[in-house]
Amino acid sequence: NAGVMQNPRHLVRRRGQEARLRCSPMKGHSHVYWYRQLPEEGLKFMVYLQKENIIDESGMPKERFSAEFPKEGPSILRIQQVVRGDSAAYFCASSGERAFPYEQYFGPGTRLTVT
Amino acid sequence: KNQVEQSPQSLIILEGKNCTLQCNYTVSPFSNLRWYKQDTGRGPVSLTIMTFSENTKSNGRYTATLDADTKQSSLHITASQLSDSASYICVVSPSGGNEKLTFGTGTRLTIIP
Repeated sequence: NAGVMQNPRHLVRRRGQEARLRCSPMKGHSHVYWYRQLPEEGLKFMVYLQKENIIDESGMPKERFSAEFPKEGPSILRIQQVVRGDSAAYFCASSGERAFPYEQYFGPGTRLTVT
Repeated sequence: KNQVEQSPQSLIILEGKNCTLQCNYTVSPFSNLRWYKQDTGRGPVSLTIMTFSENTKSNGRYTATLDADTKQSSLHITASQLSDSASYICVVSPSGGNEKLTFGTGTRLTIIP
């Protein structure tokens, strides 16, 4: 039973390029969350999605960032025209609805470096 | 403003010793508090989840306590092992779901032989 998978694990982009981060939730999970972790800081919520719907994007910058979770395939976090400040670890987590409280499981993260 | 503060920021102890990590929160409303272990370069892994009605919960050598009145929690690690070296993160949820979680910045624990 595979856990949450993220790819790539490491991504290097030059300023101005686009970054695409992928997240495959655990089997049977329909809720996906994206978090960003800056060095020496705690994880910060970015966006919460269910299949084909964005439920809460209050933590995501309004410019350059977008997220989707299509009916088929992984969830994707897209960062356009990356800047140095986007360098961080991006974690995806997923949860199901089998038991309260709804525990979430994290992927290994994607480390984005903007040069 | 919802906040989760953890102390100490970092801690070094000898293998085999016990230690206690602290977490204070100002999150309101409150539903549950979670402790995660995050190894370097990896994603957080859940250790315990406690709702407001639970005072203590154990997971092997890890025991978490919760005082919802004083808004404090602690994580006690017994008979530490080298593999316990990691960051320990306290997370508070205002609801039963995973929306609006507030994360602490973690305590960096190092176990030395």
